[in-house]
Amino acid sequence: KAGVTQTPRYLIKTRGQQVTLSCSPISGHRSVSWYQQTPGQGLQFLFEYFSETQRNKGNFPGRFSGRQFSNSRSEMNVSTLELGDSALYLCASSLDGRGNIQYFGAGTRLSVL
Amino acid sequence: GQSLEQPSEVTAVEGAIVQMNCTYQTSGFYGLSWYQQHDGGAPTFLSYNALDGLEETGRFSSFLSRSDSYGYLLLQELQMKDSASYFCAASTNDYKLSFGAGTTVTVRA
Repeated sequence: KAGVTQTPRYLIKTRGQQVTLSCSPISGHRSVSWYQQTPGQGLQFLFEYFSETQRNKGNFPGRFSGRQFSNSRSEMNVSTLELGDSALYLCASSLDGRGNIQYFGAGTRLSVL
Repeated sequence: GQSLEQPSEVTAVEGAIVQMNCTYQTSGFYGLSWYQQHDGGAPTFLSYNALDGLEETGRFSSFLSRSDSYGYLLLQELQMKDSASYFCAASTNDYKLSFGAGTTVTVRA
């Protein structure tokens, strides 16, 4: 069974631009969560989706948004990029619907110049 | 809010046993899980405890005490490949997983 796939793996953008990141969960997993990882802040929860519904959102500005499609694939979007958005963005999928055991993708490394 | 405390670093020699503690303060606590992350890699799931007690998976064991809001991960027969960061994470009834800052384990020959 294929793991969690995230695209692209690396991205370079400039301030003010927007970016869309994609995540394909493990087949059969309906819960998808997104995290931002930086050296200073560690792993921070962005949002969680289940069956196309956002069930929770972390403490991030409205520039960060996401969605989930009927096939459980998910995207997250960051608009008006800031230098501080440079980070590793990780997507994880879960079978149990509660997110107790999550399987992570390799992540998208975003650099904002 | 949620908070999880972990020691920042642990150093041990090959073949030794390492215990990493995690204390948490969360509302709506559901369970505690552990993840390993090598430099440049993604976190990988190691173990999960929903109930009090010990869970064993090969060289890894995880323990939870809900009354003490405390858990630990035990690594036995340390190997060089175990050098990595280890995160505890609390799942809550609002479908959120909150991570500790992680413990960096360095294994020396």
